[in-house]
Amino acid sequence: DQQVKQNSPSLSVQEGRISILNCDYTNSMFDYFLWYKKYPAEGPTFLISISSIKDKNEDGRFTVFLNKSAKHLSLHIVPSQPGDSAVYFCAASDAGGTSYGKLTFGQGTILTVHP
Amino acid sequence: SQTIHQWPATLVQPVGSPLSLECTVEGTSNPNLYWYRQAAGRGLQLLFYSVGIGQISSEVPQNLSASRPQDRQFILSSKKLLLSDSGFYLCAWSVQLLGSFFGQGTRLTVV
Repeated sequence: DQQVKQNSPSLSVQEGRISILNCDYTNSMFDYFLWYKKYPAEGPTFLISISSIKDKNEDGRFTVFLNKSAKHLSLHIVPSQPGDSAVYFCAASDAGGTSYGKLTFGQGTILTVHP
Repeated sequence: SQTIHQWPATLVQPVGSPLSLECTVEGTSNPNLYWYRQAAGRGLQLLFYSVGIGQISSEVPQNLSASRPQDRQFILSSKKLLLSDSGFYLCAWSVQLLGSFFGQGTRLTVV
């Protein structure tokens, strides 16, 4: 049972354009969502997060949008840069419950930004 | 600032051999600690988590075990490795339950 899904295994974008990565979840108990960036043979690094009380959070070139009714979130990167090329993971947590900070991850989306 | 150390970075082990991966966290007290695994072409799956010394919760049945002998030390072990144990293992910590921070990972290949 995949509670967090990233249905696009890969995304290719031209440098300077917008990258939009999507994520869907099924567990209505999830109330905190995160995006991680991962390079091969390295641990994921935290990018940005959003609480379920918000529908948008922005940090520099990165913006996360949350649509609770659709159980959908997206990460926008504007403008995209070649250094953004990596695997992006969406993750969710039941922070308000007794999850102890456990994260449920999507399968990841490989983003390639072409110069 | 907080840092997390995980070693070794890569490991090649024969089937049936034991395993011990170690993770330590610095700069924080009483963190929640986690072991995740990334199988080839898949997302990260939580294997174990710990909210305190000696306390271990297992998320999936498997050939592995975990221990937390000290507040900031988390160990992943196996008595006899299987081929299916191959993968990329990640240790992580959190304090405020709002997101985790990951180590660099260990690439384990069982041959």
